[in-house]
Amino acid sequence: GQNIDQPTEMTATEGAIVQINCTYQTSGFNGLFWYQQHAGEAPTFLSYNVLDGLEEKGRFSSFLSRSKGYSYLLLKELQMKDSASYLCAVRDYRGNAGNMLTFGGGTRLMVKP
Amino acid sequence: AAGVIQSPRHLIKEKRETATLKCYPIPRHDTVYWYQQGPGQDPQFLISFYEKMQSDKGSIPDRFSAQQFSDYHSELNMSSLELGDSALYFCASSFSSAEAFFGQGTRLTVV
Repeated sequence: GQNIDQPTEMTATEGAIVQINCTYQTSGFNGLFWYQQHAGEAPTFLSYNVLDGLEEKGRFSSFLSRSKGYSYLLLKELQMKDSASYLCAVRDYRGNAGNMLTFGGGTRLMVKP
Repeated sequence: AAGVIQSPRHLIKEKRETATLKCYPIPRHDTVYWYQQGPGQDPQFLISFYEKMQSDKGSIPDRFSAQQFSDYHSELNMSSLELGDSALYFCASSFSSAEAFFGQGTRLTVV
């Protein structure tokens, strides 16, 4: 099975930088994903890491350390519309059964003026 | 580009009734996931299919079943509905090692 932990809530100021951490334990690690979800809407894909290091996509960056079972999502130049839940998801490779994607509890980010 | 299609978008059922939710994955995607998301909660994994075979089962009640058909669309069947089954049900699809894309979800309300 998998254990995925991330903070429940975070608050940050518009224009600032915020880092959302995620730690995980899994047996067949095959990638870590970050999704953004606004209330009542479907999760939307933000980033994907399978190798160690930093992946940058505009204002969003994601970092992975496989040896530490650790990832973070970095959001820069925060905007009010960034207020949402951020879900860390870990994919486990199951051989002939393909892959399984499990979500953490999500971090609710509130951006204040 | 084609996305994951779920139907219906909204569904209202009475207790003890049966509901069927449909999911049409993105063409050529080989994996389908079903998730249940209650208000203020994270998506809970229900079941997944890889190349039309059930690959994993999560916290899915025995009252629920799912299958994937030859055309790769999937259906989640829910029987003896309970008030607690009211939730958003998401379907997601992916191709092998690529990211999963989510449908817009079906909002099920049990009254």
